[in-house]
Amino acid sequence: EVQLVESGGGLIPPGGSLRLSCAASGFTVSGSYMAWVRQAPGKGLEWVSIIYAGGSTYYADSVKGRFTIFRDTSKNTVSLQMDSLIAEDTAVYYCARENGWLFDYWGQGTLVTVSS
Amino acid sequence: QSALTQPASVSGSPGQSITISCTGTSNDIGYYNYVSWYQQYPGKGPKLLILDRTDRPSGVFNRFSGSKSGNTASLTISGLQAEDAANYFCSSYTRTNTWVFGGGTTVTVL
Repeated sequence: EVQLVESGGGLIPPGGSLRLSCAASGFTVSGSYMAWVRQAPGKGLEWVSIIYAGGSTYYADSVKGRFTIFRDTSKNTVSLQMDSLIAEDTAVYYCARENGWLFDYWGQGTLVTVSS
Repeated sequence: QSALTQPASVSGSPGQSITISCTGTSNDIGYYNYVSWYQQYPGKGPKLLILDRTDRPSGVFNRFSGSKSGNTASLTISGLQAEDAANYFCSSYTRTNTWVFGGGTTVTVL
């Protein structure tokens, strides 16, 4: 059974850093395309970043230069390093598996709150 | 990349059919046939409902169907049931190798 479990969210002051992790089971992240999608409180979904099986990475303009996506194949995890956080980054962050230009499995999400 | 446009809410009585629209541009919905729809209950992660405009993953009821015309995609729920009360999001792959989502539509079953 495919499962994705996010962790690492919390309350962080503006300008701070946070690392989110996504533990995958039922498949290998090394052979998959893995993404992060976020949802601000009461808002719609926003695609954040993706890492392809070959290692290429892409980012939304809103986070480019501040966020870094990477994976640990030994632990079968995908992580999102978030630096220079701003209030607008406050959201629930979901890990999702991309499969044919869509997202077929999602985690339950982890909440990141950027506030002083 | 601007978000896709969806109505904020749609409602219907049990057994009725409702349609949710999702309007994009020639750089996303109008360019690719890579539209997908997701269902989300409060406090839960999204669930894939429709892929490639019209196909359903295994386990998704055939009451849900998708279509696309030009820059607009649509999700139709036939024979509305109480458990269909949820939030629905559309998504499209874009020409800039990114994804864009809609703002979400809350479905209310009267």
